[in-house]
Amino acid sequence: EAGVAQSPRYKIIEKRQSVAFWCNPISGHATLYWYQQILGQGPKLLIQFQNNGVVDDSQLPKDRFSAERLKGVDSTLKIQPAKLEDSAVYLCASSSRWNQPQHFGDGTRLSIL
Amino acid sequence: DAKTTQPPSMDCAEGRAANLPCNHSTISGNEYVYWYRQIHSQGPQYIIHGLKNNETNEMASLIITEDRKSSTLILPHATLRDTAVYYCIVRDYNNAGNMLTFGGGTRLMVKP
Repeated sequence: EAGVAQSPRYKIIEKRQSVAFWCNPISGHATLYWYQQILGQGPKLLIQFQNNGVVDDSQLPKDRFSAERLKGVDSTLKIQPAKLEDSAVYLCASSSRWNQPQHFGDGTRLSIL
Repeated sequence: DAKTTQPPSMDCAEGRAANLPCNHSTISGNEYVYWYRQIHSQGPQYIIHGLKNNETNEMASLIITEDRKSSTLILPHATLRDTAVYYCIVRDYNNAGNMLTFGGGTRLMVKP
């Protein structure tokens, strides 16, 4: 079974620019998650989708972050405008159902100059 | 979510068993214990989970104390490739919106 695919693998932008990350979950997985992992810390959940609906976005900084999963499959996470503190690895994960183990992609490493 | 406490780091000799402890003294009845690990520059990898019975799979064994206040992840024959950060997480099985909350984990170093 193919794993969770994320792109790009690395991204470098200047502060105040915009950036988007893409995630393709494991086929058939209804639940999709975006996490932010700052260097030296554990991942922190940003948003959880069940099919194309949002289950939890309580920790998403909505003034600058947005995410969508329009057809219930692929998802994009956008930051606009980026701040220095957004430098982190952005991880996507999926699970067949919300109460099943999550499978993670290898993430996008974002550096803000 | 109940909180977990793990030692920040541990060493293990290659070929020996690695026993990683986790304290979750405030765990509630609906909360499962999950273990994930994260190898450098990769995303976290699911290892095992359990409610109250001991569990074993091809990767590891999970031993949960009878009072469920602590658990131990056992890698029976550690290899250099098992060097990673290991996260112990408790999660409510019945709450769809209940998130995985990662703490600092235990950094396991397997040495030759």
